Amino acid sequence: SQQGEEDPQALSIQEGENATMNCSYKTSINNLQWYRQNSGRGLVHLILIRSNEREKHSGRLRVTLDTSKKSSSLLITASRAADTASYFCATQIPSGYALNFGKGTSLLVTP
Amino acid sequence: DGGITQSPKYLFRKEGQNVTLSCEQNLNHDAMYWYRQDPGQGLRLIYYSQIVNDFQKGDIAEGYSVSREKKESFPLTVTSAQKNPTAFYLCASTEFGNQPQHFGDGTRLSIL
Repeated sequence: SQQGEEDPQALSIQEGENATMNCSYKTSINNLQWYRQNSGRGLVHLILIRSNEREKHSGRLRVTLDTSKKSSSLLITASRAADTASYFCATQIPSGYALNFGKGTSLLVTP
Repeated sequence: DGGITQSPKYLFRKEGQNVTLSCEQNLNHDAMYWYRQDPGQGLRLIYYSQIVNDFQKGDIAEGYSVSREKKESFPLTVTSAQKNPTAFYLCASTEFGNQPQHFGDGTRLSIL
Protein backbone atom coordinates (compact mmCIF):
# COMPACT_ATOMS: atom_id res chain seq x y z
CA SER A 1 0.00 0.00 0.00
CA GLN A 2 1.21 3.51 -0.75
CA GLN A 3 1.70 5.17 2.59
CA GLY A 4 3.79 8.15 1.59
CA GLU A 5 2.27 11.17 -0.10
CA GLU A 6 4.57 13.78 -1.64
CA ASP A 7 3.71 17.43 -2.05
CA PRO A 8 3.82 19.21 -4.43
CA GLN A 9 3.23 16.80 -7.32
CA ALA A 10 5.30 19.04 -9.58
CA LEU A 11 7.79 21.83 -8.95
CA SER A 12 9.50 24.13 -11.43
CA ILE A 13 12.37 26.38 -10.34
CA GLN A 14 15.40 28.12 -11.82
CA GLU A 15 18.99 27.10 -11.33
CA GLY A 16 20.42 28.40 -8.07
CA GLU A 17 17.10 28.36 -6.24
CA ASN A 18 16.26 25.96 -3.42
CA ALA A 19 13.70 23.17 -3.90
CA THR A 20 11.61 21.82 -1.03
CA MET A 21 9.53 18.67 -1.25
CA ASN A 22 7.32 17.29 1.50
CA CYS A 23 6.21 13.79 2.39
CA SER A 24 3.42 12.73 4.73
CA TYR A 25 2.73 9.22 5.94
CA LYS A 26 0.12 7.46 8.01
CA THR A 27 1.57 4.86 10.38
CA SER A 28 4.60 4.47 12.63
CA ILE A 29 7.82 3.95 10.76
CA ASN A 30 11.26 2.48 11.30
CA ASN A 31 12.89 4.80 8.81
CA LEU A 32 12.08 7.08 5.89
CA GLN A 33 14.13 7.16 2.69
CA TRP A 34 14.33 9.56 -0.23
CA TYR A 35 15.09 8.38 -3.77
CA ARG A 36 15.64 10.13 -7.10
CA GLN A 37 14.52 8.79 -10.48
CA ASN A 38 15.70 10.21 -13.78
CA SER A 39 13.34 9.66 -16.70
CA GLY A 40 13.24 6.02 -17.78
CA ARG A 41 15.80 4.91 -15.21
CA GLY A 42 15.85 3.09 -11.89
CA LEU A 43 15.75 4.79 -8.52
CA VAL A 44 18.85 6.08 -6.78
CA HIS A 45 18.98 6.25 -3.01
CA LEU A 46 19.64 9.73 -1.58
CA ILE A 47 19.19 9.70 2.20
CA LEU A 48 17.85 7.39 4.92
CA ILE A 49 16.63 8.96 8.16
CA ARG A 50 15.71 6.80 11.13
CA SER A 51 12.68 7.40 13.34
CA ASN A 52 14.84 8.66 16.22
CA GLU A 53 16.61 11.23 14.01
CA ARG A 54 15.30 14.70 13.24
CA GLU A 55 17.65 15.97 10.53
CA LYS A 56 20.29 14.64 8.15
CA HIS A 57 22.52 16.29 5.59
CA SER A 58 24.28 14.98 2.52
CA GLY A 59 26.00 17.52 0.32
CA ARG A 60 23.31 19.90 -0.98
CA LEU A 61 20.54 17.74 0.48
CA ARG A 62 18.87 18.28 3.84
CA VAL A 63 16.17 15.97 5.16
CA THR A 64 14.02 16.56 8.23
CA LEU A 65 11.68 14.16 9.96
CA ASP A 66 8.85 15.05 12.34
CA THR A 67 7.37 11.82 13.67
CA SER A 68 4.73 13.67 15.70
CA LYS A 69 3.33 15.13 12.47
CA LYS A 70 4.22 12.04 10.43
CA SER A 71 5.98 14.18 7.86
CA SER A 72 9.37 14.68 6.24
CA SER A 73 10.87 17.26 3.94
CA LEU A 74 13.69 17.16 1.41
CA LEU A 75 15.53 20.40 0.68
CA ILE A 76 17.86 20.69 -2.30
CA THR A 77 19.94 23.84 -2.06
CA ALA A 78 21.40 25.74 -5.02
CA SER A 79 19.59 23.57 -7.56
CA ARG A 80 21.21 22.63 -10.86
CA ALA A 81 19.67 21.53 -14.16
CA ALA A 82 21.04 18.04 -13.42
CA ASP A 83 18.72 17.85 -10.39
CA THR A 84 15.76 17.59 -12.77
CA ALA A 85 14.14 14.27 -11.84
CA SER A 86 11.31 12.72 -9.85
CA TYR A 87 11.83 12.42 -6.11
CA PHE A 88 10.15 9.75 -4.02
CA CYS A 89 9.84 9.21 -0.31
CA ALA A 90 9.56 5.66 0.98
CA THR A 91 8.73 4.45 4.45
CA GLN A 92 9.68 1.25 6.19
CA ILE A 93 7.43 0.09 9.02
CA PRO A 94 8.95 -1.52 12.13
CA SER A 95 7.72 -5.04 11.38
CA GLY A 96 8.26 -4.78 7.66
CA TYR A 97 11.02 -5.43 5.19
CA ALA A 98 9.75 -3.81 2.02
CA LEU A 99 9.31 -0.09 1.40
CA ASN A 100 6.08 1.83 0.76
CA PHE A 101 6.58 4.50 -1.87
CA GLY A 102 4.66 7.71 -2.50
CA LYS A 103 3.72 8.95 -5.98
CA GLY A 104 6.66 11.34 -6.15
CA THR A 105 7.40 14.99 -6.85
CA SER A 106 8.50 15.89 -10.36
CA LEU A 107 11.20 18.59 -10.19
CA LEU A 108 12.18 20.69 -13.19
CA VAL A 109 15.21 22.95 -12.85
CA THR A 110 15.63 25.38 -15.75
CA PRO A 111 18.89 27.15 -16.61
CA ASP B 1 31.25 -3.11 -10.83
CA GLY B 2 28.64 -4.25 -8.34
CA GLY B 3 25.04 -3.69 -9.24
CA ILE B 4 21.71 -4.98 -10.45
CA THR B 5 21.13 -5.94 -14.05
CA GLN B 6 17.65 -6.14 -15.51
CA SER B 7 16.98 -7.55 -18.95
CA PRO B 8 15.62 -6.98 -21.43
CA LYS B 9 15.22 -3.20 -21.37
CA TYR B 10 12.09 -3.42 -23.55
CA LEU B 11 9.72 -6.38 -23.84
CA PHE B 12 6.57 -6.97 -25.81
CA ARG B 13 3.90 -9.47 -24.89
CA LYS B 14 1.25 -11.02 -27.08
CA GLU B 15 -2.19 -11.88 -25.79
CA GLY B 16 -2.18 -15.11 -23.77
CA GLN B 17 1.57 -15.21 -23.52
CA ASN B 18 3.71 -15.50 -20.39
CA VAL B 19 6.90 -13.44 -20.33
CA THR B 20 9.82 -13.54 -17.90
CA LEU B 21 11.82 -10.53 -16.76
CA SER B 22 15.35 -11.15 -15.58
CA CYS B 23 16.98 -9.61 -12.50
CA GLU B 24 20.55 -10.45 -11.48
CA GLN B 25 22.62 -8.86 -8.70
CA ASN B 26 26.28 -9.26 -7.77
CA LEU B 27 26.06 -7.27 -4.54
CA ASN B 28 25.72 -10.42 -2.38
CA HIS B 29 22.43 -9.03 -1.07
CA ASP B 30 20.01 -11.34 0.71
CA ALA B 31 16.74 -9.56 -0.09
CA MET B 32 15.34 -8.83 -3.54
CA TYR B 33 12.18 -7.06 -4.66
CA TRP B 34 9.99 -6.52 -7.72
CA TYR B 35 8.03 -3.30 -8.17
CA ARG B 36 5.63 -2.09 -10.81
CA GLN B 37 5.49 1.59 -11.81
CA ASP B 38 2.68 3.07 -13.86
CA PRO B 39 2.93 6.55 -15.45
CA GLY B 40 2.85 9.31 -12.87
CA GLN B 41 2.62 6.81 -10.07
CA GLY B 42 4.84 5.56 -7.33
CA LEU B 43 6.18 2.04 -7.02
CA ARG B 44 3.92 -0.81 -6.00
CA LEU B 45 5.38 -4.00 -4.56
CA ILE B 46 4.71 -7.21 -6.48
CA TYR B 47 6.86 -9.81 -4.70
CA TYR B 48 9.85 -9.87 -2.42
CA SER B 49 12.30 -12.48 -1.21
CA GLN B 50 14.42 -12.33 1.92
CA ILE B 51 16.34 -15.57 1.38
CA VAL B 52 16.83 -18.22 -1.26
CA ASN B 53 13.85 -20.51 -1.87
CA ASP B 54 11.50 -18.19 -0.02
CA PHE B 55 9.37 -15.28 -1.24
CA GLN B 56 6.28 -13.34 -0.19
CA LYS B 57 3.47 -11.63 -2.07
CA GLY B 58 3.37 -7.88 -2.13
CA ASP B 59 0.39 -5.61 -2.68
CA ILE B 60 -0.27 -6.56 -6.33
CA ALA B 61 0.92 -10.17 -6.78
CA GLU B 62 -2.07 -11.42 -8.79
CA GLY B 63 -1.04 -12.41 -12.32
CA TYR B 64 2.65 -12.59 -11.44
CA SER B 65 4.98 -15.35 -10.27
CA VAL B 66 8.60 -15.45 -9.07
CA SER B 67 11.30 -17.89 -8.09
CA ARG B 68 14.46 -17.55 -5.99
CA GLU B 69 16.64 -20.56 -6.68
CA LYS B 70 19.89 -18.61 -6.44
CA LYS B 71 20.87 -15.69 -4.23
CA GLU B 72 21.87 -13.62 -7.26
CA SER B 73 18.73 -14.13 -9.33
CA PHE B 74 15.06 -13.23 -8.87
CA PRO B 75 13.14 -13.60 -12.17
CA LEU B 76 9.58 -12.32 -12.51
CA THR B 77 7.05 -13.99 -14.79
CA VAL B 78 4.13 -11.93 -16.01
CA THR B 79 1.43 -14.48 -16.75
CA SER B 80 -1.51 -14.28 -19.13
CA ALA B 81 -3.69 -13.82 -16.04
CA GLN B 82 -2.30 -10.30 -15.64
CA LYS B 83 -4.78 -8.38 -17.79
CA ASN B 84 -3.04 -5.01 -17.65
CA PRO B 85 0.69 -5.75 -17.75
CA THR B 86 1.84 -2.60 -19.54
CA ALA B 87 4.15 -0.88 -17.05
CA PHE B 88 7.73 -0.20 -16.03
CA TYR B 89 9.09 -3.02 -13.86
CA LEU B 90 11.87 -2.37 -11.38
CA CYS B 91 13.97 -4.88 -9.46
CA ALA B 92 15.79 -3.95 -6.26
CA SER B 93 17.96 -5.57 -3.63
CA THR B 94 19.16 -4.83 -0.13
CA GLU B 95 21.71 -6.38 2.17
CA PHE B 96 19.23 -6.78 5.01
CA GLY B 97 16.36 -4.90 6.57
CA ASN B 98 16.58 -1.19 7.37
CA GLN B 99 19.04 -0.54 4.58
CA PRO B 100 18.66 1.43 1.34
CA GLN B 101 17.55 -0.48 -1.72
CA HIS B 102 19.64 -0.67 -4.87
CA PHE B 103 17.67 -0.59 -8.11
CA GLY B 104 18.19 -1.87 -11.60
CA ASP B 105 17.38 0.26 -14.65
CA GLY B 106 14.04 -1.39 -15.26
CA THR B 107 12.21 -3.29 -17.98
CA ARG B 108 9.42 -1.61 -19.93
CA LEU B 109 6.72 -4.12 -20.86
CA SER B 110 4.16 -3.39 -23.54
CA ILE B 111 1.32 -5.31 -25.16
CA LEU B 112 1.44 -6.12 -28.87
